[in-house]
Amino acid sequence: NAGVTQTPKFRILKIGQSMTLQCTQDMNHNYMYWYRQDPGMGLKLIYYSVGAGITDKGEVPNGYNVSRSTTEDFPLRLELAAPSQTSVYFCAIQGATDTQYFGPGTRLTVL
Amino acid sequence: AQKVTQAQTEISVVEKEDVTLDCVYETRDTTYYLFWYKQPPSGELVFLIRRNSFDEQNEISGRYSWNFQKSTSSFNFTITASQVVDSAVYFCALSEANYGGATNKLIFGTGTLLAVQP
Repeated sequence: NAGVTQTPKFRILKIGQSMTLQCTQDMNHNYMYWYRQDPGMGLKLIYYSVGAGITDKGEVPNGYNVSRSTTEDFPLRLELAAPSQTSVYFCAIQGATDTQYFGPGTRLTVL
Repeated sequence: AQKVTQAQTEISVVEKEDVTLDCVYETRDTTYYLFWYKQPPSGELVFLIRRNSFDEQNEISGRYSWNFQKSTSSFNFTITASQVVDSAVYFCALSEANYGGATNKLIFGTGTLLAVQP
């Protein structure tokens, strides 16, 4: 998975709970992205970062927060989990050829 | 606004058949990238190809080939002599080409599920 690690692989949350999805890279790339994939759909961008300390919203940021204190880590935070956030979450890094490479994903279910 | 359309939701073929996956895109940008990714049943996303909007040459990689036509805003993907291992969801994606390492936010199509029967 191109040097991108995501934890956990699976998680079940109750409505209203919070959690952090972890994403770590060992490629020293500045650009990192968070996407969500709903069943039968393509991926949609949640947040992205162009480097440590710099983040910005994507297409579907509501209900999520991010931080980027180091080049290696780009965690995604869910503060009050809702059933609509049931999805598979992918973290991606952008290499020198402007191509994004994805982590293995985190499958999240909110009940 | 940018948009990617993959009209074929599911395709089923028998092994050794050729199959073409269609991708039509919309963008106002003059420079952009087009991508194909493969998502096998295990769920990971595997990069297959990136095409620059300035490069309309078709590309072949083994049994895979790609036909990029700016005149019809299409970037179709053909698998020759399909195999069971080709069974996956295939995504076409589009991004603005900001040269110099700027962000390239991907716009994905909804994917085409390819089932190759033995």
